Amino acid sequence: EAGVAQSPRYKIIEKRQSVAFWCNPISGHATLYWYQQILGQGPKLLIQFQNNGVVDDSQLPKDRFSAERLKGVDSTLKIQPAKLEDSAVYLCASSLLLNEQFFGPGTRLTVL
Amino acid sequence: SQQGEEDPQALSIQEGENATMNCSYKTSINNLQWYRQNSGRGLVHLILIRSNEREKHSGRLRVTLDTSKKSSSLLITASRAADTASYFCATDSNNDMRFGAGTRLTVKP
Repeated sequence: EAGVAQSPRYKIIEKRQSVAFWCNPISGHATLYWYQQILGQGPKLLIQFQNNGVVDDSQLPKDRFSAERLKGVDSTLKIQPAKLEDSAVYLCASSLLLNEQFFGPGTRLTVL
Repeated sequence: SQQGEEDPQALSIQEGENATMNCSYKTSINNLQWYRQNSGRGLVHLILIRSNEREKHSGRLRVTLDTSKKSSSLLITASRAADTASYFCATDSNNDMRFGAGTRLTVKP
């Protein structure tokens, strides 16, 4: 089966610019997660969707980050405006049940 | 905030030796999972242990869970150079997933 797809793989922007990441989960996986992983740290959950509804977005900086999962399949994560401290790898994961998660390769964001 | 805390932060061993990594957490959990991440790649699920289980095996991996001490350990036996990676524990508390900062394992050939 195809894995979790993410694009782009790399993105370099200047601070105050906007950026969007896309994720296509494994077919049939109802749960989708976005994580932020800063260099040297573990992944930090930003938002969790169950189908197209938000289950947990307690750690999402809502003043600048937004995410949506239209039709309960693909998802986009947006940062507007970006700050230097947003430089990180953004990981998308999906799961069939609320257990094992399958991760995409991530998008490495550099904010200059 | 991160729930799991891995120990040690870094571990360097020779090929063929065993590697043990520990994870401690703070709140009650439904299950605990271990993931592996090669440099610059996404995470790969290794093993899940439920709160009512004490030990689980998968190939060269052995995971233990002590809910009274709120801790888990991951043992990799007969390590190989290809096991070089970062290893993370993740706790699931009522579908709230939290990852630790990870243990960086280096296996020297």
